[in-house]
Amino acid sequence: QQQVKQSPQSLIVQKGGISIINCAYENTAFDYFPWYQQFPGKGPALLIAIRPDVSEKKEGRFTISFNKSAKQFSLHIMDSQPGDSATYFCAARSIGSQGNLIFGKGTKLSVKP
Amino acid sequence: ETGVTQSPTHLIKTRGQQVTLRCSSQSGHNTVSWYQQALGQGPQFIFQYYREEENGRGNFPPRFSGLQFPNYSSELNVNALELDDSALYLCASSWGSANTGELFFGEGSRLTVL
Repeated sequence: QQQVKQSPQSLIVQKGGISIINCAYENTAFDYFPWYQQFPGKGPALLIAIRPDVSEKKEGRFTISFNKSAKQFSLHIMDSQPGDSATYFCAARSIGSQGNLIFGKGTKLSVKP
Repeated sequence: ETGVTQSPTHLIKTRGQQVTLRCSSQSGHNTVSWYQQALGQGPQFIFQYYREEENGRGNFPPRFSGLQFPNYSSELNVNALELDDSALYLCASSWGSANTGELFFGEGSRLTVL
């Protein structure tokens, strides 16, 4: 079974701080790496995504860093806010997988005021 | 623009029963994927439907089946329910068969099997 390993399982950050979530994968045939944000009682919502030919992508306070040789990618949330408190999932899509995503187990982020 | 809607939101079944979950895709989307999310876990891909045919399946037994209708809405059917089937079932829609991975999820149907 292809895997995407995500860490940490939970994270507590002070308001204004930087939240960092890491993911690692094994399969080199992944071609798309999205991050999803999920609030309690809601479905996952796409936050930001990157393809392996790019090393970094930034959208507002959210940045993905991608290290193809190490098979790792990470999400950085700058100036973290209490409203960012949610569970974050990294995911990866295999080439030719008909679009299914393989998700990490999630990171529960709590941003303290 | 109408988002992905799922019904019912919650339901309770007993072991051995059958369940049908429904999903209306986002306007303009022709592909529907179904995922199972166990408590505290990431979503797991069940299968995908494109133009009314299953065109991708994850590691789930045949008692998990589905349908897609001409209006692109979809159903997930689970037969012979087991306790481990208790989970949040998520429907996601997208455009195209080889999609970009940009899935738009509904809020899910929470199934409890007793």
